[in-house]
Amino acid sequence: DGGITQSPKYLFRKEGQNVTLSCEQNLNHDAMYWYRQDPGQGLRLIYYSQIVNDFQKGDIAEGYSVSREKKESFPLTVTSAQKNPTAFYLCASSIDTSNTGELFFGEGSRLTVL
Amino acid sequence: AQSVTQLGSHVSVSEGALVLLRCNYSSSVPPYLFWYVQYPNQGLQLLLKYTSAATLVKGINGFEAEFKKSETSFHLTKPSAHMSDAAEYFCAVRAQGAQKLVFGQGTRLTINP
Repeated sequence: DGGITQSPKYLFRKEGQNVTLSCEQNLNHDAMYWYRQDPGQGLRLIYYSQIVNDFQKGDIAEGYSVSREKKESFPLTVTSAQKNPTAFYLCASSIDTSNTGELFFGEGSRLTVL
Repeated sequence: AQSVTQLGSHVSVSEGALVLLRCNYSSSVPPYLFWYVQYPNQGLQLLLKYTSAATLVKGINGFEAEFKKSETSFHLTKPSAHMSDAAEYFCAVRAQGAQKLVFGQGTRLTINP
């Protein structure tokens, strides 16, 4: 089945460590996104990419980095510079960034910093 | 700038009762609007979307929403709540020409037996 796969589903990290969250899609979508979800704050955009080898900062990009070397892959690295990394992270894709294109979401990755 | 406000972080209704989840948007140009549902520890699933065609939009699971430009609203309704409707619901907006989808804070729906 076509869809978006995020891994790992749960991840624990010590303070000061970088961690990379994987996101793979087989929908042949051009655009991919990373959102952060915290209780009561909805979803906030971290980074998005419209095409391979190109990406843009979202609203809360500080302390995060991404790459888009392949169309189907958009990994997110949470660096030690991120002050409060414990959150639920959601990856999404869309056919393109046109106005009417809805987002398709993965199952999410829950990161806990110990 | 575009933004969306969901009135009520928690809504509780009885099984069989009407579900009404409120969403108001702010956009300088006509927007495209979306409702998503999220079950615990899962991703978001699209319920319905408004893309400037019919103002009354029907979605999955018996939900529908009406775009009212004069009220800048896009409220989500369902005539009769089921226990399986218990989840968190997000309204989202994208203005024409904008690349980003902006989400509301979410409304947690609880269904009482």
